[in-house]
Amino acid sequence: EAGVAQSPRYKIIEKRQSVAFWCNPISGHATLYWYQQILGQGPKLLIQFQNNGVVDDSQLPKDRFSAERLKGVDSTLKIQPAKLEDSAVYLCASTPGSWEKNTGELFFGEGSRLTVL
Amino acid sequence: GIQVEQSPPDLILQEGANSTLRCNFSDSVNNLQWFHQNPWGQLINLFYIPSGTKQNGRLSATTVATERYSLLYISSSQTTDSGVYFCAGRGGTASKLTFGTGTRLQVTL
Repeated sequence: EAGVAQSPRYKIIEKRQSVAFWCNPISGHATLYWYQQILGQGPKLLIQFQNNGVVDDSQLPKDRFSAERLKGVDSTLKIQPAKLEDSAVYLCASTPGSWEKNTGELFFGEGSRLTVL
Repeated sequence: GIQVEQSPPDLILQEGANSTLRCNFSDSVNNLQWFHQNPWGQLINLFYIPSGTKQNGRLSATTVATERYSLLYISSSQTTDSGVYFCAGRGGTASKLTFGTGTRLQVTL
């Protein structure tokens, strides 16, 4: 079974530029998450999708971050314009079933490491 | 949301030693997982353990939900066990999994 796929693995940009990350979850997984992990910290949830609907985006900085999952499968996370403090690893995860059933083990992709200069 | 505390923050072991990592939650949780983040950054599921005890090889975990903590045991540690161990939990009707700050483990020869 293929795992969660993410791209690009690494990205270096200058502040005020834009960047987009892509995630393809495990086949059949209804719930998709984007986490931000700053060096030395635990992952922090940015946004959670159930199929193509947003369940939780309370910690997404909506003035510069956006995410979509139009067809309920793959997802993109965009940052525009980037700030220095956005330097982090952006992790995508998916889980089978709906979050309400609390059955879901989270499966993570390898992450996309962003450096903002 | 819930708060998650992990201890110790750092741990250095000699190969072959045993260790116990702890995770405390500020409130009851109904979804609890342990992860290992390897030196390349990949987060790997270790256990999904909202309650009870599970074992997988040299690793085992116990969650005492009523007392809001979970323990991860590593026996006969190996250098490949090095990395950061995270616990994460979800409480009540919350939809998101909240991570602790991790325990950084280094296993030396």
